[in-house]
Amino acid sequence: DAKTTQPNSMESNEEEPVHLPCNHSTISGTDYIHWYRQLPSQGPEYVIHGLTSNVNNRMASLAIAEDRKSSTLILHRATLRDAAVYYCIHAGNNRKLIWGLGTSLAVNP
Amino acid sequence: EPEVTQTPSHQVTQMGQEVILRCVPISNHLYFYWYRQILGQKVEFLVSFYNNEISEKSEIFDDQFSVERPDGSNFTLKIRSTKLEDSAMYFCASSGPGRVGYGYTFGSGTRLTVV
Repeated sequence: DAKTTQPNSMESNEEEPVHLPCNHSTISGTDYIHWYRQLPSQGPEYVIHGLTSNVNNRMASLAIAEDRKSSTLILHRATLRDAAVYYCIHAGNNRKLIWGLGTSLAVNP
Repeated sequence: EPEVTQTPSHQVTQMGQEVILRCVPISNHLYFYWYRQILGQKVEFLVSFYNNEISEKSEIFDDQFSVERPDGSNFTLKIRSTKLEDSAMYFCASSGPGRVGYGYTFGSGTRLTVV
């Protein structure tokens, strides 16, 4: 099964950038790198995904290492609403997602 | 923004009873999924569905579980004879109108409590 490694927890201050790292050394050449987040008592929420190139959307940026064995999710200005568990997952296109424990992000006011 | 809709949001059922959890995926998506999350644990994959058949399923998805797309919009998960350990949040998701590289959209979940 696909497996990623993330820190258990991270902390940030409001309005500062946050860099959430992820290692995915077993990623195959066709796997996409996905990031989702889950707020307490809610369903997972799509954040961003990519294959090889760095990606930007209105929520975040995804920086993918050249060898694709690691990636970093960048929240440019953290808000209190960004406090959540962030999951990094690699999966083939339209394939099942295998979830780890993610990184619990705390945002301080 | 398009959403995945799940009903009911909460369901309490007696052990041994059948339950049907309902989902309306995003209309132009072609791939559909069920996941579950037992309180305090990881999200677990149950099943994926494409072109009116199961494309992948996990060990959890045994003979007590079934999925169906009875019409063009609904996607259902049926648990035939519920057990206490089926108590969990159940999330429906959908992805991709067929082209590569789409993320997955999840519903808000159904909290199933088996008593």
